[in-house]
Amino acid sequence: GENVEQHPSTLSVQEGDSAVIKCTYSDSASNYFPWYKQELGKRPQLIIDIRSNVGEKKDQRIAVTLNKTAKHFSLHITETQPEDSAVYFCAASDGDKIIFGKGTRLHILP
Amino acid sequence: DTAVSQTPKYLVTQMGNDKSIKCEQNLGHDTMYWYKQDSKKFLKIMFSYNNKELIINETVPNRFSPKSPDKAHLNLHINSLELGDSAVYFCASSQVLAGEQFFGPGTRLTVL
Repeated sequence: GENVEQHPSTLSVQEGDSAVIKCTYSDSASNYFPWYKQELGKRPQLIIDIRSNVGEKKDQRIAVTLNKTAKHFSLHITETQPEDSAVYFCAASDGDKIIFGKGTRLHILP
Repeated sequence: DTAVSQTPKYLVTQMGNDKSIKCEQNLGHDTMYWYKQDSKKFLKIMFSYNNKELIINETVPNRFSPKSPDKAHLNLHINSLELGDSAVYFCASSQVLAGEQFFGPGTRLTVL
């Protein structure tokens, strides 16, 4: 079955710097890769997603890249702000099952 | 106009009790899910329910049972609660199976 590995588990960056979170997946049938942000005490919410026919997608300060050959995808946050502090989850879906990574706790340092 | 709602928000109960958590979605989605989030924040899918087909994560004890009275509701019933069941339980829905997940606000279950 699908396995999704996410790194790092914790990440601290200075405000204004960039943050990168990486995920790998094992099932080549996976074709949908969403990223969720979970603020403290809140529900996870989708921030960006990418499908397997696209290599990169950007939405303001957030971008996701996908390398299907290597089976990995990454979340990039530029010009980080205090409100970016949260837990981020990657996920991979084959249209039948969706599997989440174990999450990355991102701290934005003042 | 809440999309996915759950009740109760907090649930504190004794070991051995039976409890239920209710979930409703008004998005018209065909698939609903239950997730467990433990103290380490890992999100584990427990069940998905799509067009009356139940897909169970094999690691879920049979003390947990989802019940769907209709397409907009998927309730979670837990028998003989154990200390290890303490966690936050999230309901979610999606338009297509394993598509974008819309999460409810969560239910924090504490078993004493």
